Amino acid sequence: EVQLLESGGGLVQPGQSLRLSCVASGLTTFSSDVLSWVRQAPGKGLAWVSSINGRGDLKSYADSVKDRFSISRDNSKNTVFLQMDGLRADDSALYYCARSGVVPVFESWGRGAPVTVSP
Amino acid sequence: ETVMTQSPATLSVSPGERVTFSCRASQSVSHNLAWYLQKPGQAPRLLIYGASTRATGIPARFSGSGSGTEFSLTISSLQSEDFAVYYCQQYNNWPWTFGPGTMVEVK
Repeated sequence: EVQLLESGGGLVQPGQSLRLSCVASGLTTFSSDVLSWVRQAPGKGLAWVSSINGRGDLKSYADSVKDRFSISRDNSKNTVFLQMDGLRADDSALYYCARSGVVPVFESWGRGAPVTVSP
Repeated sequence: ETVMTQSPATLSVSPGERVTFSCRASQSVSHNLAWYLQKPGQAPRLLIYGASTRATGIPARFSGSGSGTEFSLTISSLQSEDFAVYYCQQYNNWPWTFGPGTMVEVK
């Protein structure tokens, strides 16, 4: 069974940084899977944030986080990261790590890491 | 970006009923449309991809249809575990975008 476990969330002030991690287990295809971050603000819907391909050389970002967030991965540790700089109040959300296989849909999800940006 | 809309926002249904709700894209997404279910306090779960293909382990009472800009999800006989929020998501045009969700609640 595929399991994704996020960590690194917390409470920070506007302008500060956080680094989220997501460790995958139960996967034999990690180094070929696309990993993504999807966020959900309290009481709101889902919003795609960023994705990275298996080799880590193709990355994409939502316009709202471009130039502030950076996604990366370490295939030797089955881990994907989201470096979040210049955090703003509207970045407050539960950040889910999600895996895609052959079809680019979010097949597996973690339980989420909460991020709160407040003075 | 491709804007996804869903209707209705909320649906009040009794267990055992058949329900259908809709998802519309602001531009064609071909068949590249997925549906997810999310229960309170849980992560979303993939139900349908390719507009009509059930994901692994999803019961046959869930069915999806549509192409282009108009899609629908049907639950043939609503079970207690199906009361949740349903999101559609397109993966044809960057950035991937989700609809705002349809909440299916107990009548």
